Amino acid sequence: GQSLEQPSEVTAVEGAIVQINCTYQTSGFYGLSWYQQHDGGAPTFLSYNGLDGLEETGRFSSFLSRSDSYGYLLLQELQMKDSASYFCAVAVDSNYQLIWGAGTKLIIKP
Amino acid sequence: AAGVIQSPRHLIKEKRETATLKCYPIPRHDTVYWYQQGPGQDPQFLISFYEKMQSDKGSIPDRFSAQQFSDYHSELNMSSLELGDSALYFCASSFLTSGGNTQYFGPGTRLTVL
Repeated sequence: GQSLEQPSEVTAVEGAIVQINCTYQTSGFYGLSWYQQHDGGAPTFLSYNGLDGLEETGRFSSFLSRSDSYGYLLLQELQMKDSASYFCAVAVDSNYQLIWGAGTKLIIKP
Repeated sequence: AAGVIQSPRHLIKEKRETATLKCYPIPRHDTVYWYQQGPGQDPQFLISFYEKMQSDKGSIPDRFSAQQFSDYHSELNMSSLELGDSALYFCASSFLTSGGNTQYFGPGTRLTVL
């Protein structure tokens, strides 16, 4: 089977740093993506890692270790608007079909 | 910049009726993906099309069918609707030919089956 595991909920304080981990077991691997989704909204692409290492985009960074089947999303200088669900998703074939994790609900307190 | 367009945004149907959801991808994007998302759940991949040909098939029920037309828009046809089909249906597009690893999602169609 194919599975992705990520925490169901994370709580952090405004201005702090939070890391959301994702481990995966999939039949194929082309890359690990992260998406943000606010309640009632559409998923929005945040980052993609096709190779090992760190990708940085503004306040968000994403890391991948293919040997450990592990990645994480790092959010810095948290803002209240970052309160949302964050999904990791693995592209399992060359068509970038995505298998999604169950999502991590990020709660930010003032 | 142009985004993915989905219509209708909201749809209410009775059990056993049919529904058609439409998706207009970002111009020049060659791949369309359909997802179903229930409340509090992750998006479940249904089906995808690359250059108007079906490329991958996920957990799409036999009651559902989809196609991509010559103008690249796609339609998801749902028949014999069941209460459990009530969900948000997202369409996403990407430019696979350029190595597109980013899927751009439309705003979704909220289907309610009564």
